[in-house]
Amino acid sequence: AQKITQTQPGMFVQEKEAVTLDCTYDTSDPSYGLFWYKQPSSGEMIFLIYQGSYDQQNATEGRYSLNFQKARKSANLVISASQLGDSAMYFCAMSAAGGTSYGKLTFGQGTILTVHP
Amino acid sequence: DTGVSQDPRHKITKRGQNVTFRCDPISEHNRLYWYRQTLGQGPEFLTYFQNEAQLEKSRLLSDRFSAERPKGSFSTLEIQRTEQGDSAMYLCASSSQPYNEQFFGPGTRLTVL
Repeated sequence: AQKITQTQPGMFVQEKEAVTLDCTYDTSDPSYGLFWYKQPSSGEMIFLIYQGSYDQQNATEGRYSLNFQKARKSANLVISASQLGDSAMYFCAMSAAGGTSYGKLTFGQGTILTVHP
Repeated sequence: DTGVSQDPRHKITKRGQNVTFRCDPISEHNRLYWYRQTLGQGPEFLTYFQNEAQLEKSRLLSDRFSAERPKGSFSTLEIQRTEQGDSAMYLCASSSQPYNEQFFGPGTRLTVL
């Protein structure tokens, strides 16, 4: 079974500053993927970034980077230079990379990020 | 628009009625997933398809729930004899490969009165 834990129900950040959203995971699968999604108040789920468990380097996508620490089972999202439009709910998710559950996403509870001007 | 589409966007029904939702994935995606999201929670997996084959169903999916993807293109999710606890956002997602990111549709918000 897989489990994702996001311990920060809400986070606040000043515009143009960086913010880190925490995510820890638990799995018995030897190979897996980690994802971050953004869900604005409008409701759509927007893919942000992906990290494979065997990737040697941390993933980056524009202002988003994923701080992957495999031994600690953490996959924190770092947003640099926050913008007002970053205010949203953020979900960490994971998927096994094999077996019958290959591709199925398990989500955390989410963190609400508020960016102040 | 070539993204994932869902219909209807909103559905209000009375307890005991049957409802059916439709999802049209991105055309070249052979994987299609259904999730359910209640207010303030992360989405929970319901079921998924590889082409027309339904490969896994969650224990959340009671006998009142059925999903199909008859020709490996669009999918339908039917809920029979709806209950108030079925009120949620039903999300559909698709991907081209199981290890690729999933693209989500706008969701169908179900309210059972």
